[in-house]
Amino acid sequence: SQQGEEDPQALSIQEGENATMNCSYKTSINNLQWYRQNSGRGLVHLILIRSNEREKHSGRLRVTLDTSKKSSSLLITASRAADTASYFCATDFLSYNTDKLIFGTGTRLQVFP
Amino acid sequence: DTGVSQNPRHKITKRGQNVTFRCDPISEHNRLYWYRQTLGQGPEFLTYFQNEAQLEKSRLLSDRFSAERPKGSFSTLEIQRTEQGDSAMYLCASSTKYPVTKGNEQFFGPGTRLTVL
Repeated sequence: SQQGEEDPQALSIQEGENATMNCSYKTSINNLQWYRQNSGRGLVHLILIRSNEREKHSGRLRVTLDTSKKSSSLLITASRAADTASYFCATDFLSYNTDKLIFGTGTRLQVFP
Repeated sequence: DTGVSQNPRHKITKRGQNVTFRCDPISEHNRLYWYRQTLGQGPEFLTYFQNEAQLEKSRLLSDRFSAERPKGSFSTLEIQRTEQGDSAMYLCASSTKYPVTKGNEQFFGPGTRLTVL
């Protein structure tokens, strides 16, 4: 499989706490994106970071990218019960001439009120 | 146009039957993708269209699968002689090249959940 690895596979926290999830990938990339998926539904784009960027913020989200380690992290600060979902990283690779995304295996986040 | 739509949302079929799914992308998007997602896994790429041209197909797409995008608008994904292993969520996504600063942000539909009995 070409999928990257994410950890942890599952994460349970209380409202107000921060949640950090990590993603590793295998080959050089153009961009790395994070998506959220609520149970049994489509994916919603959260944030995109380019290969020449190291950190990006959007609201309560902070994404870092370390291309030397081929890894990224997503931090959700001050979590809310509504953040409960599965989170996937997705990459598009330099070696391909299409824009298909390669997804990780996902982290299931549960935020308890 | 509020987003990518997919029909039907759910499909239950018997093994050996043919099924067809439809995807309507965001109207100004010229790129359309199909992905398949099984329980507990991330989506896996199946095929990609730019306008009406099918530019890439995954090895996951056996010859029982065929996808079309006539006139570069909506797309259909057909599975012939369905097998139980085809049970999955089939997701459609669309994107546009512009603005370039947005990168390849893809917009996903709600998916079609296929159950093969």
